[in-house]
Amino acid sequence: DTAVSQTPKYLVTQMGNDKSIKCEQNLGHDTMYWYKQDSKKFLKIMFSYNNKELIINETVPNRFSPKSPDKAHLNLHINSLELGDSAVYFCASSPDPGRSYEQYFGPGTRLTVT
Amino acid sequence: SQQGEEDPQALSIQEGENATMNCSYKTSINNLQWYRQNSGRGLVHLILIRSNEREKHSGRLRVTLDTSKKSSSLLITASRAADTASYFCATDGQGAQKLVFGQGTRLTINP
Repeated sequence: DTAVSQTPKYLVTQMGNDKSIKCEQNLGHDTMYWYKQDSKKFLKIMFSYNNKELIINETVPNRFSPKSPDKAHLNLHINSLELGDSAVYFCASSPDPGRSYEQYFGPGTRLTVT
Repeated sequence: SQQGEEDPQALSIQEGENATMNCSYKTSINNLQWYRQNSGRGLVHLILIRSNEREKHSGRLRVTLDTSKKSSSLLITASRAADTASYFCATDGQGAQKLVFGQGTRLTINP
C-alpha cells in the first residue's frame, strides 16, 4: 500500500521545456507539500497546500506552479526549465495543518535538466 | 535561513557500536523531529519530541532536547548495517506546517 506516490521517478529533459510531476496520497491527510533537495542534500520547502488551498509559498520562481485538483493530489508544473532546477523533488503529506505532525514523504522525483 | 544544522556531517562506525548525531537550531520551537533517508529514497519519520520534553525513546533510538541550548541529539544504540542512511532533524520554528530541515548526517555502519 503506497502512502505517498510520485510520478515519474526520473525525469531528464532539456532547458526551456515544461514538465510536470504528479503526487498522490492515500492517507486521507489534509495537507500536502513540495520540497526540493539539492545536490548537497539540503531539503527546502517550496509549497504547502491544505485541503486544496495554498498556505505556504516560499521564495520560488513563478516558473513553478503547484496545482491541487483535490486534497489527495498535489502536482508540480515547471515552465521553462533551467539547469539550476536539477534536483530531487519530494512530495509529502501530514494530517493536521494546525499542529506540527510528522510528514510522510514520497519516493522523490530526480529531475535532470540538460 | 537554515534552521537546523546537524553535526557531524558524516559518521562511520562499526556494527554494534552506538551512533550519536547532534542538531542545533536557531529559533524557538514547538517540537523537533528526526527523519531517516536511505539512499535514493524519501524521508521516513523516526521520532518527534515536543519542546516540553527532555528525552524520548523509540526502540533503539534515544532523542534528547535541550531548549536552553537549542540543541538535540539522536542516539542509535547497537547499530546495524541497515541503519546506514542520512539522518535529518527538522524544526517547526517558522510555523506548524513549515518544517525546516538541516543538511543531515550521513551515517555509515561498517560490518
